Amino acid sequence: QQQVKQSPQSLIVQKGGIPIINCAYENTAFDYFPWYQQFPGKGPALLIAIRPDVSEKKEGRFTISFNKSAKQFSLHIMDSQPGDSATYFCAAARYGNKLVFGAGTILRVKS
Amino acid sequence: ETGVTQSPTHLIKTRGQQVTLRCSSQSGHNTVSWYQQALGQGPQFIFQYYREEENGRGNFPPRFSGLQFPNYSSELNVNALELDDSALYLCASSGGGSTNTEAFFGQGTRLTVV
Repeated sequence: QQQVKQSPQSLIVQKGGIPIINCAYENTAFDYFPWYQQFPGKGPALLIAIRPDVSEKKEGRFTISFNKSAKQFSLHIMDSQPGDSATYFCAAARYGNKLVFGAGTILRVKS
Repeated sequence: ETGVTQSPTHLIKTRGQQVTLRCSSQSGHNTVSWYQQALGQGPQFIFQYYREEENGRGNFPPRFSGLQFPNYSSELNVNALELDDSALYLCASSGGGSTNTEAFFGQGTRLTVV
């Protein structure tokens, strides 16, 4: 019940494309859903986060869509660039930032 | 760059040894969490410290222990190192205590156990 399932495992898109990464969770007590970006040899960097009282949040080129009834949320990256090539992690927390992470999606944006 | 700093950046230890990893939290943050990230996997929650007290623990054995100091910096100690302890150890700081606020990660300490 604590798991967060993330898909796909890897993704290749052309520059300007819109990669979509999906996550599903079981624990309905989760109330905080962040996305992190990680480059090789670095720690995860917070991109954007959403709470279950809204269905969508946009920050720059990054959008989270949230479906509370389906217990799913997704990350869309608009106008993707080669510099967006990284590993993306979804996460969920019940309280206090004890984050449960997905397994990660390796994104490659081809120029 | 976040204000979370970890030391050392890399470390090689022998099986059975003990190791101490350090983390300085971002200014104004009173909560520090530690995560273990094995190669190719997502980070796994080890434990969290809030105002110098342990505030939750993941599925890790007691040989993983920690401390938080009055300035909110923190240490992760691992005794009796095993080969499977080889991983990137991440520290995250946040200001929320029992509420969810933004958590910022350091660059991690890469531990190799040989």
